[in-house]
Amino acid sequence: GAVVSQHPSWVICKSGTSVKIECRSLDFQATTMFWYRQFPKQSLMLMATSNEGSKATYEQGVEKDKFLINHASLTLSTLTVTSAHPEDSSFYICSASQGAGGTDTQYFGPGTRLTVL
Amino acid sequence: RKEVEQDPGPFNVPEGATVAFNCTYSNSASQSFFWYRQDCRKEPKLLMSVYSSGNEDGRFTAQLNRASQYISLLIRDSKLSDSATYLCVVVRTWHQAGTALIFGKGTTLSVSS
Repeated sequence: GAVVSQHPSWVICKSGTSVKIECRSLDFQATTMFWYRQFPKQSLMLMATSNEGSKATYEQGVEKDKFLINHASLTLSTLTVTSAHPEDSSFYICSASQGAGGTDTQYFGPGTRLTVL
Repeated sequence: RKEVEQDPGPFNVPEGATVAFNCTYSNSASQSFFWYRQDCRKEPKLLMSVYSSGNEDGRFTAQLNRASQYISLLIRDSKLSDSATYLCVVVRTWHQAGTALIFGKGTTLSVSS
């Protein structure tokens, strides 16, 4: 089946630094990639949707200048958390779809656990 | 009102029990629905799609009531391995960026021997 990888799987950083998370579709071309965030005992919250070669669409309440998303190729999307603070500590999960998403099957990455000290 | 609402549980049941989870959604225009399963500290995995006519996959049955905007998941003969969080998912459609999955908060199931 389709595989999506994320790197790193976990990261600890100091407050004020920036962290980049990569999401790769390993054996298919992902037209659309989604970024989610999950706090403990909460569900996945969609942060943004990105289509290859175009600007990401952010959910209401998600700061686009803080969470920079780049989807430069059909197999790679990156999420950069800029000037991270402890409240950004969370589980970040990406998913990838060959189509426009939604009814197209989304394949989820294993997630990246971010801890900001 | 949240787009997708679920009873968070937890549901604690013995092996062999039948358990039902409910979910409501706010957007009457929603067309596609899923149940996902998420194990602790893991990514969610698709369990099954939900169709208007209802659908069954082994011990799992999903139902959709469009008039009430209500989705259910029934698990029969619960196994220890069914212990997980079950996420109700609704597809949201908009013009600019296609569609996206909107997750409910999840219902936690714990099956004990």
